[in-house]
Amino acid sequence: AIQMTQSPSSLSASVGDRVTITCRASQDIRNDLIWYQQKPGKAPNLLIYAASSLQSGVPARFSGSGSGTDFTLTISSLQPEDFATYYCLQDYNYPLTFGPGTKVDIK
Amino acid sequence: EVQLLESGGGLVQPGGSLRLSCVVSGFTFSNYVMSWVRQAPGKGLEWVSTISTRGDNTYYADSVKGRFTISRDNSKNAFYLQINGLRAEDTAFYYCAKGLLAYSTNAWFDPWGQGTLVTVSS
Repeated sequence: AIQMTQSPSSLSASVGDRVTITCRASQDIRNDLIWYQQKPGKAPNLLIYAASSLQSGVPARFSGSGSGTDFTLTISSLQPEDFATYYCLQDYNYPLTFGPGTKVDIK
Repeated sequence: EVQLLESGGGLVQPGGSLRLSCVVSGFTFSNYVMSWVRQAPGKGLEWVSTISTRGDNTYYADSVKGRFTISRDNSKNAFYLQINGLRAEDTAFYYCAKGLLAYSTNAWFDPWGQGTLVTVSS
């Protein structure tokens, strides 16, 4: 199975900050990478698919990049509603695997 | 509006069985891949299983293979997860999720249901 890692595991940031989260796959997954946001007590919400395609309705401050094994989720200017946990998911092949998550909280 | 509603969770003893259901509305169900994803309380997300549009292809996480069975009934706009041989480590919120794109084999999960809690304990 493809292993997914994320860094950092958590970070503290302020409103307005630029935030970058990294996801790394244990093998080449082309651009088969998805990013989710999850707030406490809620189901996850899809942000980015195919590594860099912004899901409809997701604010443009979110962006994704990367291919192969290294991927990045960037929030250009952190907003209060962005404090959450972020997960990457590879769907290059089965079994699908999530990263362990990155928790973004308020500094 | 797309809606997914899970049911069937509850408290079950180790070794027991449950059948989770996900009833959907607001889209043409038969055109979409559907999946189950779980999350143990306070832990990360774990993909469990995915089923193709016609139900002829199914995929499972290694941790559940041989114990869990995914199925769907396109005439009822519903799909299911039969869970047998439950273990303490299966305790989790189980979410059903729709594939993002019609006619796609990608399992991109969007949206998700609200989740149903399965607790395995004696």
